Amino acid sequence: AQKVTQAQTEISVVEKEDVTLDCVYETRDTTYYLFWYKQPPSGELVFLIRRNSFDEQNEISGRYSWNFQKSTSSFNFTITASQVVDSAVYFCALSEPPTGNQFYFGTGTSLTVIP
Amino acid sequence: NAGVTQTPKFQVLKTGQSMTLQCAQDMNHEYMSWYRQDPGMGLRLIHYSVGAGITDQGEVPNGYNVSRSTTEDFPLRLLSAAPSQTSVYFCASSPGFPQETQYFGPGTRLLVL
Repeated sequence: AQKVTQAQTEISVVEKEDVTLDCVYETRDTTYYLFWYKQPPSGELVFLIRRNSFDEQNEISGRYSWNFQKSTSSFNFTITASQVVDSAVYFCALSEPPTGNQFYFGTGTSLTVIP
Repeated sequence: NAGVTQTPKFQVLKTGQSMTLQCAQDMNHEYMSWYRQDPGMGLRLIHYSVGAGITDQGEVPNGYNVSRSTTEDFPLRLLSAAPSQTSVYFCASSPGFPQETQYFGPGTRLLVL
């Protein structure tokens, strides 16, 4: 079973629109960590955020915000007023410290921002 | 700091050939890992290491070997390349996995003919 599900394979928005990328995870652990990475067309993987399971506060960083809801096992990512530079593939990932030494990545969401 | 470096950036192999993908980090990170990225499948863990001399298998280890003789280096060896190993390979490191963030290298694009 997929531990991290990113159901949206591709999303296209027009510049300045808001867009939310969904991430649903599955774990039996009470201690875990969630991450978002960005992969622009150049191919590198850029770290965006880490959230631990005990901190459900939403986080905002400029135009980026993250909504962590344990009740629905979701860690969604919203880009406000999207820009062409936001065009990339975005990956959500999960780590489970008590039981393993690896990340579980979702399959990614490809975001295209149309000028 | 150079961060995580990978060489080569691109490689073409013939079926049956062997090669080593190099990965190095200068951040004194204990944890290092190798992933492969295939279309529609995200990143899948091949092998990882929690410190020098310690390695373990990830999700898709078949056809690959690793070793960790120093903290800095974590090479990935393809023993006998197959077309199914055509992929983009990423190396990553973190100071104290799994709580810590993993930092990725630029990737190696491998084509096996």
